[in-house]
Order: sequence, then structure tokens, then C-alpha cells
Amino acid sequence: SQQGEEDPQALSIQEGENATMNCSYKTSINNLQWYRQNSGRGLVHLILIRSNEREKHSGRLRVTLDTSKKSSSLLITASRAADTASYFCATGGSNDYKLSFGAGTTVTVRA
Amino acid sequence: EAGVAQSPRYKIIEKRQSVAFWCNPISGHATLYWYQQILGQGPKLLIQFQNNGVVDDSQLPKDRFSAERLKGVDSTLKIQPAKLEDSAVYLCASSPTGGVNTEAFFGQGTRLTVV
Repeated sequence: SQQGEEDPQALSIQEGENATMNCSYKTSINNLQWYRQNSGRGLVHLILIRSNEREKHSGRLRVTLDTSKKSSSLLITASRAADTASYFCATGGSNDYKLSFGAGTTVTVRA
Repeated sequence: EAGVAQSPRYKIIEKRQSVAFWCNPISGHATLYWYQQILGQGPKLLIQFQNNGVVDDSQLPKDRFSAERLKGVDSTLKIQPAKLEDSAVYLCASSPTGGVNTEAFFGQGTRLTVV
């Protein structure tokens, strides 16, 4: 079964706008990671946030983590056509090396 | 640095046939994962190795799927016999030695079509 659930399932925005997607998970975690997948390609790691961190930035990406609510959000600012992809959250287990993925959010950036 | 290599990239087989996928992880990575990704869904973990030992295979359909990691390096995933519902992309990933706070590096995947 999937550990994380992303919301929304799909998102369509205009170039230059911000895109926000959320991830909820069920069990305790060591870390939460976000990955991007372009159509027909492998997954690429974007950012990792540890369970004792609340916010992290990387370029145009901002990730927040609320362990009390078991949720995370990914914000992409000033979106570009190249950001069109599926985005997945993945949780790293507390006591193992297991990496479990959610169902993903498909983002379409219109030019 | 070379990435995770997978082969073949594409495979079409008939149901009830067998198939094998190969993965060569990044050198020195202790953790190796096999995921199944059905179209429109997220990756589902099939099996996870730490060096050459199995850490988790709770979602591996063991009546038809098997996997091994040779000398803690390369890995093969086999399906025998294949069913129509096995049509998916099979992704291999590896992660560095040690702790849990590390990213996974993915290969390009093998797209399997069972007809």
C-alpha cells in the first residue's frame, strides 16, 4: 500500500505562476523526499527534508514538513514549461531504509 | 559518476512467459530497490536489498516474482510466469552506504508489456 497521498492529483497553471502540492502520510518517518518524473523517464530527486526540520529551500523549490499533521507541501515558484512533470513525495522509514512513494501530482505548465 | 544502469529498456512478452531485468547500481551503494510503476500510479516497492541481504520484500508476489543481488552489487528481477497485470515500468534505484537520510538514484526503468 502507498504510504503517502498527494493532493491534488493534477494541476494546470500558467507559466510564471506558483504551483503548490501537498503530501500526507500515515506512519512516523525519518525523512520526506520529493521527486520529479518527466514522461517516460526515471525519477529525479529534488529535495530531502528531515523529520526535525520544518522548512527547506532549493532554488525555486520550497518544502515544508509538519510531523504533527503528518503532512508536507512542495511549492514551485515562477513555474516554467520545463516544470511540466509528475511530482512524487516519498517517505523514509524511521527504523529502516525503506522508501515509500505516493501516487503523485501531475503538473502541467502552460506557456 | 555513472548512474544506475538498467536493461533492457523495453520488453514485450506473451502471458505465461518468463522475463528477467538487470540492474547495475552506482558503485559503492549499499541499498538497492526494485519498484513497479503501473501507468498513472506511483512506484510501488517490490524488494529492497541492503548489501546482499533482503530488508523488505513484503509486496513482492513471491509465487511469480524473484530477485537476487549478486555479491552485493548487480541485481536481477525475474517474473515467471508473467500475467497481463504485470505490464508496468520496473525501476531500479540505489542509495549510498549507511544512514536513512539519503536520496535514491533511479535508473531509466524497463517498460514491460505483457500481451
